[in-house]
Order: sequence, then C-alpha cells, then structure tokens
Amino acid sequence: DIQMTQSPSSLSASVGDRVTITCRASQSISIYLNWYQQRPGKAPKVLIYAASSLQTGAPSRFSGSGSGTEFTLTISSLQPEDFATYFCQQSYNIPWTFGQGTKVEVK
Amino acid sequence: QVQLQESGPRLVKPSQTLSLTCPVSGGSISSGSYYWTWIRQPAEKGLEWIGRIYSSGNTNYNPSLKSRVTISIDTSKNQFSLNLSSVTAADTAVYYCASGVGAAPATDYVEYFDYWGQGTLVTVSS
Repeated sequence: DIQMTQSPSSLSASVGDRVTITCRASQSISIYLNWYQQRPGKAPKVLIYAASSLQTGAPSRFSGSGSGTEFTLTISSLQPEDFATYFCQQSYNIPWTFGQGTKVEVK
Repeated sequence: QVQLQESGPRLVKPSQTLSLTCPVSGGSISSGSYYWTWIRQPAEKGLEWIGRIYSSGNTNYNPSLKSRVTISIDTSKNQFSLNLSSVTAADTAVYYCASGVGAAPATDYVEYFDYWGQGTLVTVSS
C-alpha cells in the first residue's frame, strides 16, 4: 500500500493567515493526489483533485501543487469556515489511501 | 446533484455481519461516469477506503478487508450495499458511501470522491 504522510498533524492559525499543509507519498504517484476538507460531524468534501485542479464550487483561496511524492495544499487567506481537518488521498494504486489528516485550529 | 444516504443497523454484535445500503438520488446508479464506494472512519482517526463497485458489477476491495467484504449493486432500486462479515470492535466506525469519478485535466485520468453520504456510526458491541 502507498503510505500518505501529512504534516503538520495540527496547526493554529488566525483568520487572514496563509496556511500550507504538506502531504508526502511513500512512492511516486505523479499527480494522482486529491485534497478533502472535513468539518466536525460532516462528511469530507473534495477541494482539489489531480494535485492542482480546483473542484467546481470550491473557493479560489484553496490551491494545490506538487507531483511525484510531495504535495502542498495552500489556503491563501484563512476564513472562519476553513477551520477544519484536511486529508490528502492518493488514487494512483488500489487500495486508495488517505493521509492521517491535518487539523486547522483557531489560534 | 447526486445525493447519497447510508441506512442500516447502528449496532451490530461481534462475529455478526454489518450490512449497510446506500440509495442514490438525483442520478442513475447505472451511469457509466461513476463508480460507487464505501469508506469508513473510526472515531478520532483517519479515513479507510473499503472498496468500490461499478454499475457492471465489477468490484475492487481493500486487501486488508477483502476476505470479509462484499459490495453489491441493485440498479433496479438505484442503490448499492456493503456487507462486512465477522465484525469485531475494531470495525466500529462512521461508514460513508460515496461516488467516485474521474477527470483528466492534462493527460492523466485521476479519480476522486465527489459526492458523499452524511455518514452513519456503526458500533460493534454485545
């Protein structure tokens, strides 16, 4: 299985901050990397697919980059509704696997 | 817009079979554009992909669960189902059904989960 490792596991930030989350794959996965946001008690929602493509309806303050084994999710200006947990997920090889999550908390 | 909603028993006894169904509304489960998948999340933990099924009936399962998992599809009822046998407390989790889709922004066809059910907590306990 491909192991996905996110860093940090949690971070504290303020509204308006620029936030960056990193996801590393245990082997090269090209651009087969997706990002999801999960608010407490809710299902995850896709933000970014194929490493850098913004899902329809996702705010443009979210962006993704990377290829191979290292990827980043950036929130350009954190908004109150962005305090949530973010997961990366690879769709290069079955079984699809997720990172352990990064919780973005209020500073 | 596609909507999904998990249904089934919330409490299952150890060694028994966990069974969940996911009716699909707002779209046809027979659409060739989608596949249908199950994902679970133990409390305060990450997400684990269980498996998927196409409208053709073809399936893929997570090897860690393959010996205990069956995913089926009923196109006449526009729904798909999950059976997980011989459950233990380790199978206690929120179970999500979701739709999978692919996109090719460049040359690679990348799959992701676009629509999700709200999730249902299934507890394994005697």
